[in-house]
Amino acid sequence: AQKVTQAQTEISVVEKEDVTLDCVYETRDTTYYLFWYKQPPSGELVFLIRRNSFDEQNEISGRYSWNFQKSTSSFNFTITASQVVDSAVYFCALSEVGYSGAGSYQLTFGKGTKLSVIP
Amino acid sequence: DSGVTQTPKHLITATGQRVTLRCSPRSGDLSVYWYQQSLDQGLQFLIQYYNGEERAKGNILERFSAQQFPDLHSELNLSSLELGDSALYFCASSPGGASYNEQFFGPGTRLTVL
Repeated sequence: AQKVTQAQTEISVVEKEDVTLDCVYETRDTTYYLFWYKQPPSGELVFLIRRNSFDEQNEISGRYSWNFQKSTSSFNFTITASQVVDSAVYFCALSEVGYSGAGSYQLTFGKGTKLSVIP
Repeated sequence: DSGVTQTPKHLITATGQRVTLRCSPRSGDLSVYWYQQSLDQGLQFLIQYYNGEERAKGNILERFSAQQFPDLHSELNLSSLELGDSALYFCASSPGGASYNEQFFGPGTRLTVL
């Protein structure tokens, strides 16, 4: 069965520090998608990135970067020079292709990591 | 703004009652997913509809049901409510089909059962 583990429940950093959020996943499939979502205190889920299992290139978007390593089943997320606005709960998620049948891409979420950035 | 709307935003009700949560997907999206976020269970997939038909089922209780209407909006019905049903319920939509499509989440409905 598919599973996502975010071992870090809560992290606190001082503004401008770098922080890495860990994500480890388990899946039977060779084709799957990995995601990171941000949930700020207002409650909505904000999509940050999607990666498919065939694309192991790391990605950088501004202060955000993602490191995908199939060999260790990890998809870690780094925020460089953190800001107070980065304070939120961050979720890693996995979608197996056709987990429940063709055309179903339900997401399996980790428990989330609450990031607090202290000014 | 994801383009997915959910109503109501907040809902407070009593144990034993029944409520209906409504979701309007983005224009053109055929697939609707429902998720529940609670403190003890985290974010969990409940059910998916595609163009009016149930496509996949997750950890959805028998007291819960859903449907997708011809205009593609979806409703999640929760009955015989218990305190433990208090949670944030999200709807997400995607174009659907055989190829992977992004899911766009609505703002959620916060249900409080007293």
